[in-house]
Amino acid sequence: QVPLQESGPGLVRPSETLSLTCNVSIGSVKDYYWAWIRQSPGRGLEWIGYTYYYATTEYNPSLESRVAISVDTSKNHVTLEVRSVTAADTAIYYCARRRRFDIWGPGKMVTVSA
Amino acid sequence: QSALTQPAFVSGSPGQSVTISCIGTSANVGSNNAVSWHQQHPGKAPKIILYQTDQRPSGVSSRFSGSKSGNTASLTISGLQADDEADYYCSSFTVIKTIVFGTGTTVTVL
Repeated sequence: QVPLQESGPGLVRPSETLSLTCNVSIGSVKDYYWAWIRQSPGRGLEWIGYTYYYATTEYNPSLESRVAISVDTSKNHVTLEVRSVTAADTAIYYCARRRRFDIWGPGKMVTVSA
Repeated sequence: QSALTQPAFVSGSPGQSVTISCIGTSANVGSNNAVSWHQQHPGKAPKIILYQTDQRPSGVSSRFSGSKSGNTASLTISGLQADDEADYYCSSFTVIKTIVFGTGTTVTVL
């Protein structure tokens, strides 16, 4: 079983909300920090934000106004929402464990296009 | 927040050593030891190879080593092998509790 698995729509229309889920199969989501990172085609890695069940959530200042990350303990997964998307949000989205990113999911390609 | 600065390309022959620098500021790399390094092969997810500047996770080759001086962290790959050909990214915790990645370095084995 894959320790972390991202899922969600692969195509999102401009101005709509991108929603992804990271299913965690390596223990409880309460036990660690969880992060989202993205990589635009042919580009480098960009940190989106991280959350911890017992503490606050921190976001990349450049995305903070449009992003929300949360933990769902009933489903043991981590969610990401990016509002008002544009073509610039087209990327592979990864979830990762801890702020050192010691385990990564395989990634989910999301395209923003009409 | 600005990305940490890495050389775009580094190359070496099999068996040689190469070093990748990761230049930050006193607000990130220089403020703590929470620097990590990740290896990414084409079409694959990144994989951690170092954390806390110089700590290797279980299963990572001892050919990978890390250090830091001031605002600059470094990754050294010793005994370069064909499978080391990949992209490498540093990341650092910052004083405002955010995380910043490096620009990335492509390592080529000649």
